[in-house]
This record gives sequence, C-alpha cells and structure tokens, in this order.
Amino acid sequence: EPEVTQTPSHQVTQMGQEVILRCVPISNHLYFYWYRQILGQKVEFLVSFYNNEISEKSEIFDDQFSVERPDGSNFTLKIRSTKLEDSAMYFCASSPGTGSRSEKLFFGSGTQLSVL
Amino acid sequence: GNSVTQMEGPVTLSEEAFLTINCTYTATGYPSLFWYVQYPGEGLQLLLKATKADDKGSNKGFEATYRKETTSFHLEKGSVQVSDSAVYFCALIESGNTPLVFGKGTRLSVIA
Repeated sequence: EPEVTQTPSHQVTQMGQEVILRCVPISNHLYFYWYRQILGQKVEFLVSFYNNEISEKSEIFDDQFSVERPDGSNFTLKIRSTKLEDSAMYFCASSPGTGSRSEKLFFGSGTQLSVL
Repeated sequence: GNSVTQMEGPVTLSEEAFLTINCTYTATGYPSLFWYVQYPGEGLQLLLKATKADDKGSNKGFEATYRKETTSFHLEKGSVQVSDSAVYFCALIESGNTPLVFGKGTRLSVIA
C-alpha cells in the first residue's frame, strides 16, 4: 500500500540553526500539507501546497517557514532560524486531486524536531 | 473559529473492556467529522468518518455517531484488544477543501 514517508524520524538542532524536514508524498497525489503537534497540544495546520505554490497557510506559518517541491518526489519544510518553541512533531500529508481533498489525507509518521 | 475538544488521556483499559473516548466540536456550519488513529511508529490513519447529522461511522469494531444536538462525535468500541493501543485523534473539516482541525489526541493503552 502506498504511503507517505518522512525523514528523519527525529531531528535535533541548536536554536538559530536552519533545519529541513523531508517528505515523500504518495506518487500520484497533487496536494501536500504540513501539520505540527507541540507536545500536549493540538495537531495544527501549517500549510498546503498545490501546483508548485502555497494554496493556504495558517498564521503559524510565518516568514521563517518555507516549503518547496524541489523535484518530482520530495516535499520539504524549511525552518530558517529555529526557536525553542518550534520543537514539535511535524506531520506531512498528501491527498489526490479528486473530490474532497481534506477527506482523503494520507499522513506520514512524523518527524520529531527538538530545538535545544 | 472551529475547534475540537477530546477527553484527556491516557486511557488504560484491560482487554475486552468497553471503550469510550469523548469528542465535542465547535463549528459555524455543518462540518464533517473524523477519527484518526496513530499506531506506534506509524502515521495518522483515517479510522472512520461521518459527514452529516445522525450518520454513524464504523470501522474495525469502532463506531462514532454524529450528534448535532450535542455537537459530539464520541468514539466507542465494545471490546478492545491490545492491538488497539494507539493515539486517537478527533477532527473536523468545515468543507471539503478546508484544512482538518484536530483535537489533542487521546492515548489508549490496552493491557492483556
């Protein structure tokens, strides 16, 4: 069964450093997403991406965040200068281009980011 | 805005016990409601959904009924197994293409 793959499963970084979280969505999917969950809090939407551009973003997704689809398979989330409060589990998701997109999300297993 | 509130965990049950995980929502319109499950080391997976009032979603012995009058979507299972140990997330969408809004998740541990 096709799945969304995220790497690494755990990333440790120093405050102020740049970090890139990587995701390989399901190959024929057209919509890509990042969500995050800070420990003990809700899973929060960050951004959605379609046709090589951001289609929607939350207020969390400020200028220190960016997303990219550098080739035909990867989808990345970059945090330019990490802060302690960026420590969270980051989930990538993808969905096909047909029907109700949000009802057909497939999630990866997440990357746990720890900012020290 | 839209929000989801689910019961705090962790929940620990013995095998074959009855499970209820409460979920209530706030929404301006008529959302679709979901339960997602995350097994250890895996991604969030859709467990079941209901798209309108009084609908019952069901899968793998789990059920949840969309109750508009109480704005609830409680997850139930009559007899849990050790393999049901996971984190369960309640979620909603306002319309088909708006982002999912999740609750905090409830960790369930089932012991033999």
